[in-house]
Amino acid sequence: EDKVVQSPLSLVVHEGDTVTLNCSYEVTNFRSLLWYKQEKKAPTFLFMLTSSGIEKKSGRLSSILDKKELFSILNITATQTGDSAIYLCALTQGGSEKLVFGKGTKLTVNP
Amino acid sequence: DTGVSQDPRHKITKRGQNVTFRCDPISEHNRLYWYRQTLGQGPEFLTYFQNEAQLEKSRLLSDRFSAERPKGSFSTLEIQRTEQGDSAMYLCASSLLLRDGSSYEQYFGPGTRLTVT
Repeated sequence: EDKVVQSPLSLVVHEGDTVTLNCSYEVTNFRSLLWYKQEKKAPTFLFMLTSSGIEKKSGRLSSILDKKELFSILNITATQTGDSAIYLCALTQGGSEKLVFGKGTKLTVNP
Repeated sequence: DTGVSQDPRHKITKRGQNVTFRCDPISEHNRLYWYRQTLGQGPEFLTYFQNEAQLEKSRLLSDRFSAERPKGSFSTLEIQRTEQGDSAMYLCASSLLLRDGSSYEQYFGPGTRLTVT
């Protein structure tokens, strides 16, 4: 059965800390891995990764994919209270357009 | 606002009643998706459309659920004979399929929160 496992499920840090969120997967016919940020309502898109070893970066956020070891990490440096959210990892597979999501990591950044 | 919109944002209904939700995608997007999210879980795929054609349905989508996208623009999701287990956030997303077959990421709407009492 296809699986997306995120860890940790919950994380509490102080402003200014650096955090690393993990996403491991077992899926047939992998096509891409996506990261979304979900605050109160709609998930908002962060990154899409298709190739191993190529870091995607946007401001203080960065992400990388390892297709050999079947995982991705999302790094957030110099965290701010506005980074508090649930971070969702999702996959797409060849032959299907659906996103398969993990349970998410709930990040709380305290001032 | 040019994002994905959903209506209503909240719906409370009694068990056994039928409910219908609407989703308006980003205007040029030809793909539209429905997901369901319960507390502590990531969104679960229900179904998706390319233009007006429903191309994929999850096994989660029982015969009480039906979705339409009659003119390839907005979509409706109907749940008949609601059960308490249907209580969840129903999320709609849209994306753009390009002529070369590549597809951009899915953009989500704010969701409709359904409570079945």
